Amino acid sequence: EDQVTQSPEALRLQEGESSSLNCSYTVSGLRGLFWYRQDPGKGPEFLFTLYSAGEEKEKERLKATLTKKESFLHITAPKPEDSATYLCAVQAGGYQKVTFGIGTKLQVIP
Amino acid sequence: EPEVTQTPSHQVTQMGQEVILHCVPISNHLYFYWYRQILGQKVEFLVSFYNNEISEKSEIFDDQFSVERPDGSNFTLKIRSTKLEDSAMYFCASSESPGANREAFFGQGTRLTVV
Repeated sequence: EDQVTQSPEALRLQEGESSSLNCSYTVSGLRGLFWYRQDPGKGPEFLFTLYSAGEEKEKERLKATLTKKESFLHITAPKPEDSATYLCAVQAGGYQKVTFGIGTKLQVIP
Repeated sequence: EPEVTQTPSHQVTQMGQEVILHCVPISNHLYFYWYRQILGQKVEFLVSFYNNEISEKSEIFDDQFSVERPDGSNFTLKIRSTKLEDSAMYFCASSESPGANREAFFGQGTRLTVV
């Protein structure tokens, strides 16, 4: 069974204080690893897809990396508007089902 | 920017009643999904739908649930004989492709409260 574990569950940062969120996964034949942002009461908003170990993707202050066992979402010099829950999810080969982690709730304080 | 639209935003229903949740996917998308998120828990896959049939479903998606694309724009989730534990946020999503390169767009969700 596919499993996704995210840590920490909650993270509080000062504005400008860079940090990383972790996503550990167990999946039979990774087809893709996804990062989403979810604001309270809203649906997940797609950020990145990573396909293979060593791959990296960037978007503004966010950078996602992937190894064979985990993915990191690096946040550089965060701003208060980056406050949200960040979800990691995996898709196994041959399936459309996506398995989500519980998420990391990020709060950036001015 | 195109978006997935879900209605209603909040639905309250009596236990045992049937509810239908509505979704309008992005117009050029071909693959549709329903997910649910019980308060404080993970987002869970329910079902995927393509070419007017279910292409994959989870163990959660039992005979109590059904999906339909009644016309060219709507995609519905029907929950029969609702139970208290069906209370959750239900998200509809759509994508151009089912593959790993898909960018699934999620709607804002319908909060279902079963009383």
